[in-house]
Amino acid sequence: ETGVTQTPRHLVMGMTNKKSLKCEQHLGHNAMYWYKQSAKKPLELMFVYNFKEQTENNSVPSRFSPECPNSSHLFLHLHTLQPEDSALYLCASSQDPGRLNTEAFFGQGTRLTVV
Amino acid sequence: ELKVEQNPLFLSMQEGKNYTIYCNYSTTSDRLYWYRQDPGKSLESLFVLLSNGAVKQEGRLMASLDTKARLSTLHITAAVHDLSATYFCAVVPSSNTGKLIFGQGTTLQVKP
Repeated sequence: ETGVTQTPRHLVMGMTNKKSLKCEQHLGHNAMYWYKQSAKKPLELMFVYNFKEQTENNSVPSRFSPECPNSSHLFLHLHTLQPEDSALYLCASSQDPGRLNTEAFFGQGTRLTVV
Repeated sequence: ELKVEQNPLFLSMQEGKNYTIYCNYSTTSDRLYWYRQDPGKSLESLFVLLSNGAVKQEGRLMASLDTKARLSTLHITAAVHDLSATYFCAVVPSSNTGKLIFGQGTTLQVKP
């Protein structure tokens, strides 16, 4: 247990569906992240939130919409996805990205399959 | 744009042998991380390296950082089967403290 919990663990959705991924951290961290992990590709940073404010959007298509209502919760809303969006989506949190010795702790991930 | 490259991408080795995984990055950075990922599991933090010449050891794994060469190594000593996993290095660019950029990962398979 890393203190970062993601739900659901697995999700199958059609291209016209709307679904949401949820991430919750119990570590008292101020920053939260979404990463995408596809087969045979490096982990891709999608979004960064620091103190509930989005500080990074790594050219992510608008069919992915993040929401950070507070420092403990992060959502990724999914709408009209494509099959190539199938991947493992990982959430992470860290105390403070500006601190030199800060570490990111990862959740177990949501395995998303778009059919 | 920061690029992080690991090699090798796949490593099959016998138990008891030593080997090194390399991580090169393309721009200045003030910190580098090594993570481990088991199949179907999340990423587990192994090491945080913060300065040139930093060396950290945990069990059979030792990580080092050369910021001038923009190179980190993860050395495995006398490998055991339990070390089989995928190992990632990740770098934070000096210009952006919120962005953790990962290498492709090195899948290590330790055979009895």
